[in-house]
Amino acid sequence: EAGVTQFPSHSVIEKGQTVTLRCDPISGHDNLYWYRRVMGKEIKFLLHFVKESKQDESGMPNNRFLAERTGGTYSTLKVQPAELEDSGVYFCASSQPGTGQETQYFGPGTRLLVL
Amino acid sequence: LAKTTQPISMDSYEGQEVNITCSHNNIATNDYITWYQQFPSQGPRFIIQGYKTKVTNEVASLFIPADRKSSTLSLPRVSLSDTAVYYCLVGLKGGSNYQLIWGAGTKLIIKP
Repeated sequence: EAGVTQFPSHSVIEKGQTVTLRCDPISGHDNLYWYRRVMGKEIKFLLHFVKESKQDESGMPNNRFLAERTGGTYSTLKVQPAELEDSGVYFCASSQPGTGQETQYFGPGTRLLVL
Repeated sequence: LAKTTQPISMDSYEGQEVNITCSHNNIATNDYITWYQQFPSQGPRFIIQGYKTKVTNEVASLFIPADRKSSTLSLPRVSLSDTAVYYCLVGLKGGSNYQLIWGAGTKLIIKP
């Protein structure tokens, strides 16, 4: 079974440009999460999809970030316009809700550097 | 949302058993305790999860006392490849929302 995949693995852009990150969750997983780790800081929750619906977007830093999950499969996270402080590693995770424990499986991350 | 406290770093030797303790004083009734392992340039990898008492899998054991205010991850007979950052997390599970709160993790270094 394929794990969570993310594309691209690295991205270097200039301040003011737009970048779109993609996450393909494990097939059949309804839950999809985005996290971010800014250099030197802890991993922070950004948002949570259940299928195509945003369940919780309390971690989104500002309106320059837009996440979508049309069709409830893969998800994109767009940063427009990018700022220097957006640099970091963006992780995606997916899980299948159950009646008890829930395990989130993470992708390798996308490393974003804004110059 | 409960936060966790764990050692910043630890080291041990190959073949030893390593125990990493995490405190989570504000754990709520619905919270599970989950441990992840992360290697450089990779995403976090699930190790083990528990609610109370003891959980064991092929990789590790997780000990949780009755008050659930702490937990201990036990790695038996570590090898050099176990050098990584280990995160203890307490998740809020309410409805279909399960937001993981990340701390700094414990950097474990295994020496030959």
